[in-house]
Amino acid sequence: GQQLNQSPQSMFIQEGEDVSMNCTSSSIFNTWLWYKQDPGEGPVLLIALYKAGELTSNGRLTAQFGITRKDSFLNISASIPSDVGIYFCAGQPGLDSGYALNFGKGTSLLVTP
Amino acid sequence: DVKVTQSSRYLVKRTGEKVFLECVQDMDHENMFWYRQDPGLGLRLIYFSYDVKMKEKGDIPEGYSVSREKKERFSLILESASTNQTSMYLCASSFDRLTAYEQYFGPGTRLTVT
Repeated sequence: GQQLNQSPQSMFIQEGEDVSMNCTSSSIFNTWLWYKQDPGEGPVLLIALYKAGELTSNGRLTAQFGITRKDSFLNISASIPSDVGIYFCAGQPGLDSGYALNFGKGTSLLVTP
Repeated sequence: DVKVTQSSRYLVKRTGEKVFLECVQDMDHENMFWYRQDPGLGLRLIYFSYDVKMKEKGDIPEGYSVSREKKERFSLILESASTNQTSMYLCASSFDRLTAYEQYFGPGTRLTVT
């Protein structure tokens, strides 16, 4: 599968700050997803995006499916200590390419009180 | 809520041993997946299954096999464990073909091969 380019690799912020991270691909994707992984646990699905230009929120999290279909963004507003973890983007070209997801390498987020 | 469970959280095995990792999901999902996660490499797909007794190779199937005899259970088998198979193994499932990408993960098994 294709590796996605996710940035930044890590972020160290203060509680209350907003956070932005993004993911890019060299090819077009039909689906973008964002996961969060807590230490020692499996990833948890946060947001799924299926349409170019789509903007979807889940509480303080907002994700967008880029209009070019080659990128996606995740924003976290007013961060809190429990936002700490690794955030992964994942994408898929389409069912013709099978069921497997392509993952980014993750953005590690640290939040200080 | 979807529940994906894995048989062990931590496992230590010796080189050459046959290792079984079990995964069970309780939501009648059609698709099940096995990934390994390594620092700096992210998640890589080993095998997946979209139906009972069906399996497909992922990106890194060498050294692994799988078994899906029942819909809710997907097993990963390391035929002869090697030290380069020390890793975090994650199982995931998704409901059907239309929602194949909304994958729900188990807590992971951290395998150490000595």
